[in-house]
Amino acid sequence: ILNVEQSPQSLHVQEGDSTNFTCSFPSSNFYALHWYRWETAKSPEALFVMTLNGDEKKKGRISATLNTKEGYSYLYIKGSQPEDSATYLCAFYSGNTPLVFGKGTRLSVIA
Amino acid sequence: NAGVTQTPKFRILKIGQSMTLQCTQDMNHNYMYWYRQDPGMGLKLIYYSVGAGITDKGEVPNGYNVSRSTTEDFPLRLELAAPSQTSVYFCASSYFPGTDTQYFGPGTRLTVL
Repeated sequence: ILNVEQSPQSLHVQEGDSTNFTCSFPSSNFYALHWYRWETAKSPEALFVMTLNGDEKKKGRISATLNTKEGYSYLYIKGSQPEDSATYLCAFYSGNTPLVFGKGTRLSVIA
Repeated sequence: NAGVTQTPKFRILKIGQSMTLQCTQDMNHNYMYWYRQDPGMGLKLIYYSVGAGITDKGEVPNGYNVSRSTTEDFPLRLELAAPSQTSVYFCASSYFPGTDTQYFGPGTRLTVL
């Protein structure tokens, strides 16, 4: 069973703070790493799909990096805003089974 | 493009009742998935399909059945509802299995009493 770990489980930051969280995944049989943003009472929305070691993706104030050799990805949010409050999910694809999701990091941004 | 649609949005069932959750996508995606959201546990895969006529079990298939007679539709059936099936159910689809974004439907909130 593939294990995808996300840390921290939850995070509270002040508006304007920058923050980051981690997704750890198996370093063998890597095909892709996904990040999704999931607001309460809504459905998950894709942020990034990353496939290459060293990949960096950016969307507005949110960016992500990928290290497939050591099995981790970081998601960064610069200058957090209340609307960034959500659960951030990562998901790992090994090529053999469907996506395996982590349990998520719940971010709360306090105004 | 409507994307992925799910019906109903909400449903309350009594123990032992049956129901079908509907899922339709209009993106011509080969791959479709059913997940359930358990508090603090993220998303658990129930069943998935790689194309019309082909389905396979995910992590938590017990108590559920699926069929895929067309590319567009992937219904999920609960035969004998149990309180443990109280959850929010999400359907998703993608063109490729893991290197392509998964698009999620709005979810069905099911309560079994």
